[in-house]
This record gives sequence, structure tokens and C-alpha cells, in this order.
Amino acid sequence: EPEVTQTPSHQVTQMGQEVILRCVPISNHLYFYWYRQILGQKVEFLVSFYNNEISEKSEIFDDQFSVERPDGSNFTLKIRSTKLEDSAMYFCASSNAEQYFGPGTRLTVT
Amino acid sequence: AQSVTQPDIHITVSEGASLELRCNYSYGATPYLFWYVQSPGQGLQLLLKYFSGDTLVQGIKGFEAEFKRSQSSFNLRKPSVHWSDAAEYFCAVGEGGGGADGLTFGKGTHLIIQP
Repeated sequence: EPEVTQTPSHQVTQMGQEVILRCVPISNHLYFYWYRQILGQKVEFLVSFYNNEISEKSEIFDDQFSVERPDGSNFTLKIRSTKLEDSAMYFCASSNAEQYFGPGTRLTVT
Repeated sequence: AQSVTQPDIHITVSEGASLELRCNYSYGATPYLFWYVQSPGQGLQLLLKYFSGDTLVQGIKGFEAEFKRSQSSFNLRKPSVHWSDAAEYFCAVGEGGGGADGLTFGKGTHLIIQP
């Protein structure tokens, strides 16, 4: 069964550094998403991506964040100048109808 | 703006007993509703979805949910829980069944199964 994959599973970075989180969506899906889940809190929508551009973004997704689909398979989330409060689990999802989620990347900012 | 309320933070059920997890939503139009399950350290797995049609939907692992428009609810049920059902359960609402709109999640219900 096809699935969404994410790498790395855990990323530790120092405050102020840039990180890139990577996702491989399900191959025939057209819509891609990033969500985050701060420890103990609910899952929050960050951004959706369709046809090589951002379709929708939340108020969380400010200029610190960017997304890219650099090739036909990968979908990335870049976080510039990380802050302590960026520590969270980041989930990628893809869909043509219902959304399927990857296993997540746990980002720890120290 | 859409919102999802899961009023129960924790629920404890005995193995073999029935289960109902509550979900209420706020949304102006016809919602697209989902239940996801998250085991510790894992991602979100889709249990079931409601887009339209029959208001009682069947999902994986023996779960079902019923959409009640008059009550703005989409409660998740299972007739007999197994120890492996212990997990965090999230209800979510979307504006479209497929498309660019992000999902709005509830805060989740932590299900504990006691022997």
C-alpha cells in the first residue's frame, strides 16, 4: 500500500539555524500539506500546495517558512532561523480526496 | 471559521466494552469529516471519513461514525474495544473532501484500555 514518507525522523538543531524537512508524498496525489503538532497539543495546519504553488496557508506559516517541490517526488518544508518554539512534530500529508499523513519529523530546537 | 470540539480529554474503557468518542464541529456549509488515530510516536492514520450520502460510515479496525447534522456531531463508535485500540483519536473537519484546504483538528481524546 502506498504511503507518505518523511525524513529525517528526528532533527535536532540549534536556535537560529535553518532546517529542511523532507517528504515524499504518495505518487499519484496532487495536493500536499504540512502540519505541526507541538507536544501535547492538537495538530495544526500550516500550508497546502497544489500545481507547484501555495494554495492556502495559516497564520502560523509566516516568512520564516517556505515550501518547495524541487522535483517530481519530494516536497520540502524549510524553516529559517529556527526558534525554541518551533520544536514540534511536523507532519506531511498528501491527497486527491482524503488526506494521508506521513509518520512525522520530530524537530527539536535547542 | 470552522472548529472542532472533542469534549473528552481522556476516556478509560474495559477491554471488550463498547466505545463512543464524541466530536462536535462548527462549520457553515456541509462539512467533510474525518477521524484519525495516532499511536504513541506514530503518525496519523485515517480511520474513516464522511463526505456525503449515508450518515453512518464504516471505517477500518471495526470503527464506525455517525454524522448528525442537527447536533453538529460526528461521534466515533466501536462495539468491542481491543487493547490495541489504546491511542489518541482526533476528529477533523475540512472544507473540501479533496483539495487544497487544510483540515481543522480537535484537541484529541486519549483512549485508555483497561484489562
